[in-house]
Amino acid sequence: GAVVSQHPSRVICKSGTSVKIECRSLDFQATTMFWYRQFPKKSLMLMATSNEGSKATYEQGVEKDKFLINHASLTLSTLTVTSAHPEDSSFYICSAFGTGFEKLFFGSGTQLSVL
Amino acid sequence: ELKVEQNPLFLSMQEGKNYTIYCNYSTTSDRLYWYRQDPGKSLESLFVLLSNGAVKQEGRLMASLDTKARLSTLHITAAVHDLSATYFCAVTAGGTSYGKLTFGQGTILTVHP
Repeated sequence: GAVVSQHPSRVICKSGTSVKIECRSLDFQATTMFWYRQFPKKSLMLMATSNEGSKATYEQGVEKDKFLINHASLTLSTLTVTSAHPEDSSFYICSAFGTGFEKLFFGSGTQLSVL
Repeated sequence: ELKVEQNPLFLSMQEGKNYTIYCNYSTTSDRLYWYRQDPGKSLESLFVLLSNGAVKQEGRLMASLDTKARLSTLHITAAVHDLSATYFCAVTAGGTSYGKLTFGQGTILTVHP
C-alpha cells in the first residue's frame, strides 16, 4: 500500500520556538495532503488541507499564521508551528490519498511537546 | 455540520466473544472509513466503505454500511488480545472534500484473556 512518511516522530521544544514537521508521500504523488491534530485520548480534528503549488485551506478556528503549511512539491508538505506554546502540544498527523483516491493513508505522526 | 458518533466509547471484551461497534453520522456521505490506532501510534487503515450495503471483512473484523440509516458497524468475531486498540470511524462529505474526514470519538477496545 501507499506509504506516507512523517518526520520527526517526536519533538520537544522550548516555548517561543518554531517547529517544522515534514510529511512525504514515498511511492506516489500527492497533490493534496491533509493535516490533523489529536489531543491525548481524543479524536482527530482536521486542521488544514495542503495543496501543491497553492495556499493551504484552513478549517475554522485554526490560526493560519500559527500553523504555516507549505506544499512545494508533489511529495512533500510541511507544517511549521510558529512561536510554539504549551497549548500547541499535541499529536500532529498528516494524510494523503493513495492511487485511485480510495484509501486515505496517514503518516506516522509527530508528538510535539512544548515546555 | 457533519457529526459522527460512535458507541460504545469503551469496550472490554473477553477473548473469544463477539461484539459490535456502531458509528452513526448526521448527514449524507460518500464514504466511510474505519481505522485502528495503537497507543502512541498513527492510524492504520482497516476498511473504506463506498456504497449502501457494502460489507468488507478482514480476519476477525467485518464492517458494513447502511447509508439510508447513516450507520456503519464494525463487528468483531472471536476477539483476541491483539485486537486491543482504539477504533475510529470517519466520514467524508464527498465532492471535493474526500480527504476532509470527520472522526467519531473513538472506541477503546480491551480484550481480556
